[in-house]
Amino acid sequence: NAGVTQTPKFRVLKTGQSMTLLCAQDMNHEYMYWYRQDPGMGLRLIHYSVGEGTTAKGEVPDGYNVSRLKKQNFLLGLESAAPSQTSVYFCASATGGWGSNQPQHFGDGTRLSIL
Amino acid sequence: QQPVQSPQAVILREGEDAVINCSSSKALYSVHWYRQKHGEAPVFLMILLKGGEQKGHEKISASFNEKKQQSSLYLTASQLSYSGTYFCGTEALSGNTPLVFGKGTRLSVIA
Repeated sequence: NAGVTQTPKFRVLKTGQSMTLLCAQDMNHEYMYWYRQDPGMGLRLIHYSVGEGTTAKGEVPDGYNVSRLKKQNFLLGLESAAPSQTSVYFCASATGGWGSNQPQHFGDGTRLSIL
Repeated sequence: QQPVQSPQAVILREGEDAVINCSSSKALYSVHWYRQKHGEAPVFLMILLKGGEQKGHEKISASFNEKKQQSSLYLTASQLSYSGTYFCGTEALSGNTPLVFGKGTRLSVIA
C-alpha cells in the first residue's frame, strides 16, 4: 500500500541545472498538489492539478513547471535551478478539492539543495 | 492569504493541555488540521466544516467558529507522541480555491 511516492528523496544541484521531481499515487485520486516547505513558512502551494491533463498555478509558481500526463503521476520541473529554490518539496493527492471534505495525503518529501 | 496560527511554539510537560489557534481574514467553508513530526510528511488529523461543529481524534479535538473565522485545536493530557508541528489549512467560503496552510505551531512535549 504505497500511497504517495516521491522520487528522489534527496538531491543536490548546482545553480542553473535542471531537474524533475516525480510524484506517483496509487489511490486513483483526481487532485494532486506540489508544495514547498521552508523553515517558518509552512506549506506553500506551487502548482496543482484537478485531473489528468490539467494544471494550475498556486501561491509560488515562478521558476517551476508541472505536467500531469497520467492520472497517477504529477511532475515538478525546475528549468534553471536557483539557490532560492533550496527547500523540502512535498507532493499530496486527494479525491476532491474545494468543498469535497476530503483530506490530502502527503508523500515523504524531497530534500533539494541548490549550490 | 495564509491563516495566522498562534502560538508559534509551545512546550508542554506530559499530561498538560494546550490550545492552538488558527485565524483567517476571510470567511471560511472549512478548516483542516494536520500534524507533522520532524523529518516526516504531514498527516491529516481532522476537517471541520462551517456550522460550528467540533470533532475529536484520540485526545485531540477541535472547534470551528465561523463567525470569528477561526478554529482552535485542543490537546488534552498531552503525550510525548503529540510532539510535532501542527498546521491548519483553510478553504475560503468565496470560491473554488485550494487549501491554504498556516505557518504552523511547533509543539514539544517533554517528560
